[in-house]
Amino acid sequence: GQQLNQSPQSMFIQEGEDVSMNCTSSSIFNTWLWYKQDPGEGPVLLIALYKAGELTSNGRLTAQFGITRKDSFLNISASIPSDVGIYFCAGQKTGANSKLTFGKGITLSVRP
Amino acid sequence: GAVVSQHPSRVICKSGTSVKIECRSLDFQATTMFWYRQFPKKSLMLMATSNEGSKATYEQGVEKDKFLINHASLTLSTLTVTSAHPEDSSFYICSAGSGGGQPQHFGDGTRLSIL
Repeated sequence: GQQLNQSPQSMFIQEGEDVSMNCTSSSIFNTWLWYKQDPGEGPVLLIALYKAGELTSNGRLTAQFGITRKDSFLNISASIPSDVGIYFCAGQKTGANSKLTFGKGITLSVRP
Repeated sequence: GAVVSQHPSRVICKSGTSVKIECRSLDFQATTMFWYRQFPKKSLMLMATSNEGSKATYEQGVEKDKFLINHASLTLSTLTVTSAHPEDSSFYICSAGSGGGQPQHFGDGTRLSIL
């Protein structure tokens, strides 16, 4: 099935650094979501974006819904060790109860 | 915030056993629940969409007789893996949505190991 494009597969940063992750699609999505998954647990919602061009922050996290509705990015500022995990982007084409299309995820490692 | 509880968190059983996994929305009514399967270091693969009071909609390639889904109430959906075999071993995750513009939230997953 269709997947959103997330790359690279892994990112390694130093504690305190900022990091940006991008997610792209060949088709339009009307909602973009970013989730973080820790090993052995389910994904946890970080940020939900509902309008093209929207820029939303959640603490040290900032995400934007691309104007074309075909991409989104997530920024993490001043990274800390607990930011380690897998970051998935997900898109929805219709309502909030429609199925999610996921990216492959980016594994973030933070060196102390 | 929205809480989705999944139980059990881990199951180890013999080949041929049927295993039931529960997904509950604790503080909201979930008109729709979704069941995913996740292999190590891979993304979530949608198995089926479950709407309260109606039959589940399965994704292509997912055997509905193998993975039985029931969504009898607005707070509970169950996934039963029937006659499980080692190839069914995986991490199964549910998500629940209340609609009304609210995003879906995920359970903590069930690690299923078939010996």
